[in-house]
This record gives sequence, C-alpha cells and structure tokens, in this order.
Amino acid sequence: DAGVIQSPRHEVTEMGQEVTLRCKPISGHNSLFWYRQTMMRGLELLIYFNNNVPIDDSGMPEDRFSAKMPNASFSTLKIQPSEPRDSAVYFCASSSTSGRINEQFFGPGTRLTVL
Amino acid sequence: SQKIEQNSEALNIQEGKTATLTCNYTNYSPAYLQWYRQDPGRGPVFLLLIRENEKEKRKERLKVTFDTTLKQSLFHITASQPADSATYLCAFDSSYKLIFGSGTRLLVRP
Repeated sequence: DAGVIQSPRHEVTEMGQEVTLRCKPISGHNSLFWYRQTMMRGLELLIYFNNNVPIDDSGMPEDRFSAKMPNASFSTLKIQPSEPRDSAVYFCASSSTSGRINEQFFGPGTRLTVL
Repeated sequence: SQKIEQNSEALNIQEGKTATLTCNYTNYSPAYLQWYRQDPGRGPVFLLLIRENEKEKRKERLKVTFDTTLKQSLFHITASQPADSATYLCAFDSSYKLIFGSGTRLLVRP
C-alpha cells in the first residue's frame, strides 16, 4: 500500500485566496483525521470522519474552514478565504476502526504558506 | 482542561546511551497512550501503544512505561544510535481522538 497520500505537498498562496488540500486514506481504513501542526500549538485535530461522516469538527478554527469526504477514498480540506495565520503543515491521517486504540497512519503533510 | 506535556528542550545524548523521554498529563485518565516518531518534513509514525493496565511495553530497543498514579509515561531508547535522532510525540486518547504533546527532540551524537 502506498500509505496516506496528500496533495499538494507545498502550497503558497496570497491572503484571501481559496486553498484546497487533498487526502487519499489507506484503502480499507474507515476513519480519517485532519490535523494542523505549528510550532506554537503543536499538532491539533481539526476534524474527524468515520465511515465518510463528520463526527467531530470542534477543532475547525472557524467558518473559513470546511472539510468533505465524498467517498471512502478521498477527502478535502478547504480554506476560504485564507489568512496568513493559517500558515502551517496540514496532515491527514487514517485508521482502520473508529480510531480508538488503533494507531493512526499519517500522510506526508501539506506545507501551506499564506502571504 | 486536558493537558499533555513533554519537555520542550531537546535531549542531546551520546551514541550507545539510553535516551529517556517524559510525557505528563493532567485532568484526564486515559485508557492508553501512544508514542510516535516524527522526522523533519514528514508525518508522525506510530511506535508503541500502552494501555492503562500495562506497566511496561517493549519493542526491540524501545520501552514504554505508564504510571497512572504519577500521570506519566516514560519512553526509553536503549543503545541509542544517530538514526534515532528525531522528535518523539506522545498522545493520549480522549474518546475517539488523540491529544498530542508538543514533542521532544532527541539528538544522538556519534
């Protein structure tokens, strides 16, 4: 298996632009997580999907952030409009059950820079 | 609120020595703890999981302990090697999700 795939790996955009990050989880995994990592705040969970359904989006910073999972093999995280404070590394992770007890497999991340 | 703390200062040790990293948590009683390794420019990679009813878990040169009284987990790497240099993250469960510590950077000198 190729592991969790994320694209793009790097994204540089200007404030106010829309940004879409993409994730393909490991085949057979039914839980998907979006995280954001910064030096100041560490690794923070943004949203959790189970069987393609959003279960907990309490970590989504504000309405500018939205996430979708139209099928078991694809998810997107969208920021519209983007702001400089959104600059961070965004990770997608997947897991084989509800996420409890089992390890999470992380993708390589998308480094987002908002100018 | 639930909080998990790791030493923010880097740990610098000589090759061959044992590295010991600390993870403390407050305001929660997790059922299990996980440890991950993160290399620069990469996502975290799972290393070990230990349950609350387990005192110790081993995997090759790695050992994890879990003390629910002290609310602390220790992560040991014996016979450390320069290739062990990385940031190590601990995480505890909070229902279905993991709460991560900020990580401790380990540097093993040859």
